[in-house]
Amino acid sequence: QSVLTQPPSVSGAPGQRVIISCTGSSSNIGAGYDVHWYQHLPGTAPKLLIYGNYNRPSGVPDRFSGSKSGTSASLAITGLQAEDEADYFCQSYDSSLSGLFGGGTKLTVL
Amino acid sequence: EVQLVESGGGLVQPGRSLRLSCVASGFTFHDYAIHWVRQAPGKGLEWVSGISRNRNSIGYADSVEGRFTISRDNAKNSLYLQMNSLRPEDTALYYCARGYSGYESGLDIWGQGTQVTVSS
Repeated sequence: QSVLTQPPSVSGAPGQRVIISCTGSSSNIGAGYDVHWYQHLPGTAPKLLIYGNYNRPSGVPDRFSGSKSGTSASLAITGLQAEDEADYFCQSYDSSLSGLFGGGTKLTVL
Repeated sequence: EVQLVESGGGLVQPGRSLRLSCVASGFTFHDYAIHWVRQAPGKGLEWVSGISRNRNSIGYADSVEGRFTISRDNAKNSLYLQMNSLRPEDTALYYCARGYSGYESGLDIWGQGTQVTVSS
């Protein structure tokens, strides 16, 4: 069981909007640690999508956005495209210097 | 080109040791924290260990605490993971990844991974 909880799967049709949640606790996200999001395609290295809760690295489309509130965070993807089909992971840290990943969410574009 | 390249993986028997390496190029290695992250077959990403740029902050996952040791040689642009008392559940693809801004930051550069298989 991951310390950060994500839904196992989400789906949406092309053009639609989906949201992936990431729920932590007062020991990690709620303690003020930033949340980061990654996109992972099979056979490739994970790609940083969102850092510091809501910031996008250069090259990441603005269709991807992040937010954080209390002990939870969310990744929103608008204008879904077939190429967005992948696994998505949230990540944070805690006071013991441990990195924490969510269990991952498989996005299916219908 | 900014990159990280892992090596040292392989097939090893339970209880034995293995040392992974990660060599950086294209950026100032000593300015960044570096982490190890693994993915077991059919599973998600699992953070393993991290080390700050000056080695003042070092962390381990509970699953490897006491068995794995992370270290870095800034003069050689290299990160290491000494893995002792290996278990079948340590079987995974091991990635090294760069923290973009400090120890507790997102991981912006990843290697392609090195496979570790623990089996008799």
